[in-house]
Formats: sequence, structure tokens, C-alpha cells
Amino acid sequence: EVQLVESGGGLVKPGGSLRLSCAASGFTFSDYSMNWVRQAPGKGLEWVSSISSSSSYMYYADSVKGRFTISRDNAKNSLYLQMSSLRAEDTAVYYCARGRGSTLYYFNYWGQGTLLTVSS
Amino acid sequence: DIQMTQSPSSLSASVGDRVTITCRASQGIGIYLAWYQQIPGKVPKLLIYGASTLQSGVPSRFSGSGSGTDFTLTISSLQSEDVATYYCQKYNSAPFTFGPGTKVDIK
Repeated sequence: EVQLVESGGGLVKPGGSLRLSCAASGFTFSDYSMNWVRQAPGKGLEWVSSISSSSSYMYYADSVKGRFTISRDNAKNSLYLQMSSLRAEDTAVYYCARGRGSTLYYFNYWGQGTLLTVSS
Repeated sequence: DIQMTQSPSSLSASVGDRVTITCRASQGIGIYLAWYQQIPGKVPKLLIYGASTLQSGVPSRFSGSGSGTDFTLTISSLQSEDVATYYCQKYNSAPFTFGPGTKVDIK
């Protein structure tokens, strides 16, 4: 069974940094693209960042470019999102999502999400 | 960047009704379009990819069509468990933008 478990969310002050993690199991992690999607309270889905299976390609939404860094460790079956210069508008539930293939960026498995709150 | 729009933003229909949601891309994206369902309080669920291919396990009352810039998600006979917000997403190239969503509820 595919499982994606996010961790690392919490309360951070504006300008602060945080790293989210996603632990994957139940599939061959190194075969799939991995992705972060966020959802601000009461709002729609916003794609944040994607990384191909071998880390050859990384993509970012304009809203986070230069502030967030996506990475993965295929040996540890883990995905990460390093976030810095955090803003109030980054407050959201952050979902880890598996892509359909190594470089396919639609998402057939999602974690339960981790909540990031950016507030002073 | 390509912008994704959806219409309507919300709709109310009766059980058994045929429901149609439209997604438009500001430029052509071929058939690189996915649809998701998010039931309140739940995680998004993939319904359709490749504009018209039903994800395994999704009821056949859901269907998708379109290519280029205009796409449609149809629920042939609305059920109470279909109350949700539906999102389209482009995945031809980054950014892999979602549409703003269409909220569906029961009249």
C-alpha cells in the first residue's frame, strides 16, 4: 500500500525557515516524481514544487522560487522541502504527492498533509 | 505562464442530474489535463488524467473530454457522495497549475 507521511509543519515567525519531510513507502520511490502541493485555509489547491525521479529536474511555482528548495533522498525514500524567508501567505496545509511516473506531474497518491502557520 | 480557469465556480444540482464542469487553459496544453475531487475535510483524489482517462477505481459516472484549451468534466448522474470541490490541473510543462476549483453540492 502506498503511504506518504508528511512531517515538519508548525508555527514559524515571518522571515523564518523550516524543512518539511515526506516519508514514502509501499512503492519504488526512485521510480516516481515527487511533488508538493499546498492549500491555504479555505482556499484551493496550489502546486508548489516538483522533482523528477532522479533529481534531474526541479520545478517551482513563482510564488516560492528563490525561497523554497525541493530535494529527495532515494536511499531513504524521503522527499523534502526546505523553506526560508517565510511569509504569512505561505500558511497552508502542505501535501506531499506522488507523480504518475518518473517525469509525469499529475498526482495519484497524496499524503494527509502537514500544517504550516507563519505568524508573529 | 498558462492560466487555468474553471466554470462555474459553484453549482447546486439534484441527485441524478447530469453535471458539467468546464476548465479552460489560456494556451493549448494538448491532453495534459487532470481532474481531482476533494471532498470536504479530505485529501484530493485523482479522477481523470490525459483529459479523458478514468483513474482506476473511479466510478464510471465520471468522464472527461477535451483537448487544447477546452476541457470538460461530466458527472452523468450526480450522487450525494459527489459533493466536493473539483479541480483541473495542467501538466504539460511547469508550472503545473491547478484551476481555482468548482464546488458541487446537492440542491
